[in-house]
Amino acid sequence: RKEVEQDPGPFNVPEGATVAFNCTYSNSASQSFFWYRQDCRKEPKLLMSVYSSGNEDGRFTAQLNRASQYISLLIRDSKLSDSATYLCVVNNPNKLSFGAGTTVTVRA
Amino acid sequence: DTGVSQNPRHKITKRGQNVTFRCDPISEHNRLYWYRQTLGQGPEFLTYFQNEAQLEKSRLLSDRFSAERPKGSFSTLEIQRTEQGDSAMYLCASSLGGSGGYGYTFGSGTRLTVV
Repeated sequence: RKEVEQDPGPFNVPEGATVAFNCTYSNSASQSFFWYRQDCRKEPKLLMSVYSSGNEDGRFTAQLNRASQYISLLIRDSKLSDSATYLCVVNNPNKLSFGAGTTVTVRA
Repeated sequence: DTGVSQNPRHKITKRGQNVTFRCDPISEHNRLYWYRQTLGQGPEFLTYFQNEAQLEKSRLLSDRFSAERPKGSFSTLEIQRTEQGDSAMYLCASSLGGSGGYGYTFGSGTRLTVV
């Protein structure tokens, strides 16, 4: 079983739409969680950390459910510039483990 | 530039040749990580250093792979007797302390093509 599993998508949504997707992780001892964004042929970049109480950063909302071991990301009012692959990332424990990514394409 | 720097950006090599990549982390970061990423997959952990000590190596890191961080600053990743399956993006990242809470900063990667 992979340490982090994600729905690969792709999610193809119109501008202004809301899109949400999840990932699950296998190590119940994981303590830190993140969403990274990766543009085509570029390096991953930290989008946001994920906290137990849930957190927002502008149009992005992340949620963590420790009991079910899943993490979610919701993007409101999608922009063309949100088109990217979103990587779910878990601290395991001295290194980060990455999911395979969920591809989001926002169309005009 | 105060980010993570990787060289070269691209490398094409013939099967069986040796290649070496370099990573210069953010200067105040004491941890340095190497990851490998193939098409359609997330980055896969290879190894990490805390200062000059190599603290963990993945099973993915076969005997043909070696990494060093001699003075706790820059790091090199060498692949000996390259195989076509080694073709991938090799990513370096650095962090201050553990990864808890802050994530990593990645370099732009070295794209290796073995022909």
